[in-house]
Amino acid sequence: DIVMTQSPDSLAVSLGERATINCKSSQSLLYSSNNKNYLAWYQQRPGQPPKLLIYWASTRESGVPDRFSGSGSGTDFTLTISSLQAEDVAVYYCQQYYNSPHTFGQGTKLEIK
Amino acid sequence: QVQLVESGGGVVQPGRSLRLSCAASGFTFSAYPMHWVRQAPGKGLEWVAFIYHDGTNKYYADSVKGRFTISRDNSKKTLYLQMNSLRPEDTAVYYCARGGGYCSSISCSNWFDSWGQGTLVTVSA
Repeated sequence: DIVMTQSPDSLAVSLGERATINCKSSQSLLYSSNNKNYLAWYQQRPGQPPKLLIYWASTRESGVPDRFSGSGSGTDFTLTISSLQAEDVAVYYCQQYYNSPHTFGQGTKLEIK
Repeated sequence: QVQLVESGGGVVQPGRSLRLSCAASGFTFSAYPMHWVRQAPGKGLEWVAFIYHDGTNKYYADSVKGRFTISRDNSKKTLYLQMNSLRPEDTAVYYCARGGGYCSSISCSNWFDSWGQGTLVTVSA
């Protein structure tokens, strides 16, 4: 199974500042035949189901604010929130869909400083 | 809009069975692979099982293989999870989720683009 490791486990950022969450996979998620990275990011607010933010490592889901961006390739990926808003307080998960089982990172809890 | 509504959760003794349902609306259910993902209390997300759009292929996490069965009824737009021989470690909120991405003849490569609100399963004596 592909192991997904996020860092940090928790993060406190001031409103309006940048938040950066990292995700590392135990093997490359880059599929050579289509040059796509099989990685998604989710946001889970307290008491809510997860919400898809990003897929193909950098494609923003429809309706997701453009302050959310994804980057990276191969085994190292980053979710960036350019200007933190109060509603961004949540746990963020990365997920690989390169192969089965589709595995998630352990989550990163984002709070307001 | 896409809506997924799970039901069937509850408190059950170890070794007993439970069947979860997920009613879909707002999209062409028969065109999408569907998944179950669970979350133990205070823990992270764990993918459980998925089923092809037409029900021909099914895959399971090792932790549930041989005990859980995923199925679907496209005429009723409903996804199911039959859970047998339940264990305390199966205690979790169970979410159904729609698969985005694609499926080949071998497997699916899916992100989860819509989720239900979840149903809580508690396995306890």
